[in-house]
Amino acid sequence: EVQLVESGGGLVKPGRSLRLSCATSGFTFGDYAVSWVRQAPGKGLEWLGFIRSKTYGGTTEYATSVKGRFTISRDDYKSIAYLQMNSLKTDDTAMYYCTGGLRLDYWGQGTLVTVSS
Amino acid sequence: DIQMTQSPSSLSASVGDRVTITCRASQGISNDLGWYQHKPGKAPKRLIFAASSLQRGVPSRFSGSGSGTKFTLTITSLQPEDFATYFCLQHNNYPPTFGQGTKVEIK
Repeated sequence: EVQLVESGGGLVKPGRSLRLSCATSGFTFGDYAVSWVRQAPGKGLEWLGFIRSKTYGGTTEYATSVKGRFTISRDDYKSIAYLQMNSLKTDDTAMYYCTGGLRLDYWGQGTLVTVSS
Repeated sequence: DIQMTQSPSSLSASVGDRVTITCRASQGISNDLGWYQHKPGKAPKRLIFAASSLQRGVPSRFSGSGSGTKFTLTITSLQPEDFATYFCLQHNNYPPTFGQGTKVEIK
């Protein structure tokens, strides 16, 4: 069974950093791109960025809204992906999801990040 | 960015009803569209990929159609476990963009 489990969310003050993890199982993680998506309260889903598989260079792409602040990385040995979020703003308050596959085939259940003073 | 306009935003239906949800893309996206079901506290689950292909293990009462700019998700004979939020996703152009979601509630 494919599983993606996000962790690392919580309450953080504006300007601070947070790193989310996405632990995966049930599929060949190294063969898959991983994307991060978020949904702010009362808002729609927003794609944040993705990291390609090593086969395709392991490079990353980001949404304009988070480019320069957020960084996606991966550890294929541990089958874990990460989302490093710096200089957090109150607008970054959202449920954060990781997904597997270029077509966002598989999703985790999300981890809640609240940015508030 | 490609805009995905999903309708309706919510609907009330009874068990056994036929339900249709539509997504329209602001420009042609071929068949690069997926439909997902999302229940509170759970991981979103893809039902349909490539606009009309049923994900393995998904009941055949779910079907997708369309190409280009107009897409439809149909649930024939709604079941109690189908009450959830449904959304579409286009991955033809980066960034991937989503419909706003349709909440299917019990009448």
